Amino acid sequence: HLQLQESGPGLVKPSETLSLTCTVSGGSISSSSYYWDWIRQPPGKGLEWIGSIYYSGSTYYNPSLKSRVTISVDTSKNQFSLKLSSVTAADTAVYYCARELLEWPRNFDYWGQGTLVTVSS
Amino acid sequence: DIQMTQSPSSLSASVGDRVSITCRASQSISRYLNWYQQKPGKAPKLLIYAASSLQSGVPSRFSGSGSGTDFTLTISSLQPEDFATYYCQQTYTTPRTFGGGTKVEIK
Repeated sequence: HLQLQESGPGLVKPSETLSLTCTVSGGSISSSSYYWDWIRQPPGKGLEWIGSIYYSGSTYYNPSLKSRVTISVDTSKNQFSLKLSSVTAADTAVYYCARELLEWPRNFDYWGQGTLVTVSS
Repeated sequence: DIQMTQSPSSLSASVGDRVSITCRASQSISRYLNWYQQKPGKAPKLLIYAASSLQSGVPSRFSGSGSGTDFTLTISSLQPEDFATYYCQQTYTTPRTFGGGTKVEIK
């Protein structure tokens, strides 16, 4: 049974870089069938897709965040990571990692439990 | 970006009611439309994929329909555990985008 688990600091200061890791267990991140995604949800608001990565390292980013986002993968640790630079209070959100099917129908079938990151001094 | 518009943004219904939620895409997305259920403090859960396919383990009272730009999620007989927020999502292209959500509350 596949599981995803986010980890990282719950508090980040304004202008600093938010760093999170998603650890995948019960399956291989090197599968050719999936992308690995980051999604966030500000408190009381809707879902925003941040970006995705393939095990080879190919990435797709949301243009609204592209200048500040880096997603990377470490296949040896079965992990992928998110870095978001120059954060402000608007980046306060629950951050989720998820698995996305590469081909039709491209759904997000497994999600992590989410981790709240607060941006505050 | 493809905009996804859900309606209504909230609704009140009773146990046993038939409930429908609509999702409209700003351009055609074929059938690249997924529906998720989210309960407070929990991650979204995939209910319907490819507009009308039921995810494994999801009760058959949930169904989806539509193609192109207009889609519907229907709950045939609302159960107490169905009170939650529902989101549509397009995966036709990047950036992946979600609807604003529909909160289903108890009347």
